[in-house]
Parts: sequence; C-alpha cells; structure tokens
Amino acid sequence: AQTVTQSQPEMSVQEAETVTLSCTYDTSESDYYLFWYKQPPSRQMILVIRQEAYKQQNATENRFSVNFQKAAKSFSLKISDSQLGDAAMYFCAYRSEGGSEKLVFGKGMKLTVNP
Amino acid sequence: EAGVAQSPRYKIIEKRQSVAFWCNPISGHATLYWYQQILGQGPKLLIQFQNNGVVDDSQLPKDRFSAERLKGVDSTLKIQPAKLEDSAVYLCASSLGQPNQPQHFGDGTRLSIL
Repeated sequence: AQTVTQSQPEMSVQEAETVTLSCTYDTSESDYYLFWYKQPPSRQMILVIRQEAYKQQNATENRFSVNFQKAAKSFSLKISDSQLGDAAMYFCAYRSEGGSEKLVFGKGMKLTVNP
Repeated sequence: EAGVAQSPRYKIIEKRQSVAFWCNPISGHATLYWYQQILGQGPKLLIQFQNNGVVDDSQLPKDRFSAERLKGVDSTLKIQPAKLEDSAVYLCASSLGQPNQPQHFGDGTRLSIL
C-alpha cells in the first residue's frame, strides 16, 4: 500500500519570503500522480499543483513550484513571495495511475504567514 | 461552473443516533468520492463511485456506514449507529474519472458526536 509522509506538522514564513514544504512517499509503482492541496479554515480542499511521475520536468503554477525527485520518492512544494492568503493546511497526496483513483493523503502541515 | 455541494455544513448528534450527509457533484462528473477527515489527519477515502456503481469501499466500516448514488448523480452517506470515533469532517469530491483529471472537493460536513 502507498503511504505519504509529511514530517513537519507546522511551519511559518514571513510575508514575501520563500518557504519549502517537504513530502516523501512510498510506492512500488512506476506510474502515478502527486498533488499538493491547500485547505484553509473554510475546509474546502483546493488543488495547488500536480505532477505526473513520468514527467521529469518539475511542475510550476505561478508562485508555486515543486521539486520532484522520483528516485528519492520526494515531492516538495516551494512557495515564493509568500502572501497572507497562503496561510492554510497543506496536504501532499498520491494517486495511482490505474485501478482506484483514490487519493492517499499525508497528515498535513500548517503554514503560518507572518506580516 | 458550480462546485461540489454538500449539506449540512455542521451536524451534532448523540452516540448511537443516525445521521445522513448529502452531496451533489459537479455536473458531468462521473466519479464521486467520500472521504473522512479526522482532526489532525489527512482525508481517508471511505467509498468511490463510478456513475452509480461502487469502485472502492474497502475502508468503509460497513457495519455502520452505508452510501448510495442513485441515478449516478447525487449521493448520500449514512452512519447508523454513530460512535464517538466518527467525529470528523466528511468531504465529498468529484472528478471526470480520468487519471489526469483532478478531484474537486466540497466544503465538507463537520460531524460532532456527543
């Protein structure tokens, strides 16, 4: 079974600075997808960024980028120019290429942005 | 487009009572998921529907939880009887059902068991 580990329960960053959230996963599969979701206090899970395992190029979405290291099974999220609205719980998630499309989530990390 | 709709937003019941949650997915989304998110943890899949058929219910406590998706659109999740450990946020998500398509989540229902 696949597992996702987020070892840092909380982090803080100053507004306008850069922060990196770490995530590792365990799988025996070669094809899969990785995601970062943001969950503000309103509870709705919002997709931040996704990465296909077969792509070597790291995904980027505006201020958000990932460092995907397939051999190390590492998938970190970098937030540049942090904004107050980035404060939330961040979840790393894994999904298999085939079979059930369920997401396997990590325990999450609380990000605080200080003005 | 309208997002995933869930109701109620909050529910408080006593243990051993029953409760039901409702979810309306994004129009055209064939796949619907129910996740349970216990405080301090990431969501855990309870059940996945493809249209009105069950794809994965391996982590659904079937002695007390049930779910249905009549006509392949709306879905209800029921707990009967509820236990204290069922206190959680219940999230509904939907997707087009293709591997490269993301899941879209609703706002969830926060269930408190007294």
